[in-house]
Amino acid sequence: GENVEQHPSTLSVQEGDSAVIKCTYSDSASNYFPWYKQELGKGPQLIIDIRSNVGEKKDQRIAVTLNKTAKHFSLHITETQPEDSAVYFCAASIVGNEKLTFGTGTRLTIIP
Amino acid sequence: GAVVSQHPSWVICKSGTSVKIECRSLDFQATTMFWYRQFPKQSLMLMATSNEGSKATYEQGVEKDKFLINHASLTLSTLTVTSAHPEDSSFYICSARQPPSGANVLTFGAGSRLTVL
Repeated sequence: GENVEQHPSTLSVQEGDSAVIKCTYSDSASNYFPWYKQELGKGPQLIIDIRSNVGEKKDQRIAVTLNKTAKHFSLHITETQPEDSAVYFCAASIVGNEKLTFGTGTRLTIIP
Repeated sequence: GAVVSQHPSWVICKSGTSVKIECRSLDFQATTMFWYRQFPKQSLMLMATSNEGSKATYEQGVEKDKFLINHASLTLSTLTVTSAHPEDSSFYICSARQPPSGANVLTFGAGSRLTVL
């Protein structure tokens, strides 16, 4: 089955700087890669996703890049703000199969 | 946008009792819902896939008789933790696929924290 690894497990970034979280996946059949943000005591919220037919997607301060050959994808957050502090999870699945395999999570702390 | 509601958000029960958690899709129909379990500071672990009108599909290692799942309608799935024990204490989260069909986007509920004394 699919295995998703995520790094780093914790990340502290000065407010205004950029944060990058990286994930690798094992199943070359995976073609859908969402990123979720989870705040304390809440369920995950989708913040951005990418399908394997594109290499990059951007939504304001958030971007995701995908390297299918290397089987890794990354989340980039620019101009970080205190409200970006949360746990971020990457995930992988196959379109049509809704089962997501999650990474181990990254606790992002934005230092004011 | 699509909203998934979970109830209760937290529950405390005595060991040996059963607890039911509800997951509702508020503004869309969901033929399939998913139940996850999350331990503190850990990732989400898929427990089972809930299928409307049929039996749930459980992941390997998840006890079917311990975690009963019922998907009685297109907007409601329930997870019942039977004869709960302290080791069942966890954060349980459900999700449902947003329409349109063919998209993989999942909406998650806010989670239910179960504490078994």
